[in-house]
Amino acid sequence: IAGITQAPTSQILAAGRRMTLRCTQDMRHNAMYWYRQDLGLGLRLIHYSNTAGTTGKGEVPDGYSVSRANTDDFPLTLASAVPSQTSVYFCASSDGGAGEQFFGPGTRLTVL
Amino acid sequence: GQNIDQPTEMTATEGAIVQINCTYQTSGFNGLFWYQQHAGEAPTFLSYNVLDGLEEKGRFSSFLSRSKGYSYLLLKELQMKDSASYLCAVMDSNYQLIWGAGTKLIIKP
Repeated sequence: IAGITQAPTSQILAAGRRMTLRCTQDMRHNAMYWYRQDLGLGLRLIHYSNTAGTTGKGEVPDGYSVSRANTDDFPLTLASAVPSQTSVYFCASSDGGAGEQFFGPGTRLTVL
Repeated sequence: GQNIDQPTEMTATEGAIVQINCTYQTSGFNGLFWYQQHAGEAPTFLSYNVLDGLEEKGRFSSFLSRSKGYSYLLLKELQMKDSASYLCAVMDSNYQLIWGAGTKLIIKP
């Protein structure tokens, strides 16, 4: 693989179900990010990780959790999905600091 | 609060020039980014400005004025493939990106 991959590409989920969105990068970037993108709004940061073993909360963290067990993987978990979490989710990575962020292809999630 | 403003939509003609403006108010400043996003795809990096002035990269140029909290992206010799959304983002004092809602650029033949 080259760059960042996300899985699944799309998912329809019943409200109340648990869901994990997967993200893997092979660029050995220290920093990784999860965003959601909704129509008419800018990308909003959910959680981030500056380096393996550390995570932080972004602008809209409620209802989501992350882990960073190693450099390559940064899964995002919705413990109990709600319809307001219907969105397109992008994972991104960077060298950190002021470096540009590289984005995965996104996961389109619909919660009914 | 933190705020990034850019026009919602712009229309331009193939072969012409278009300027997309972005104004910002953020807590701290560690640079301004422009990304391009085609419909249904991920954002891709276009440019980064941290000092005042113009950065040119082929048909695309980006300008920054930190004192005015203002940037623009200039696209020359427009092609149909330039139809996309253009996202302005500012890196704040915590090195987090604050994103504008994006400008949808429609190119007409």
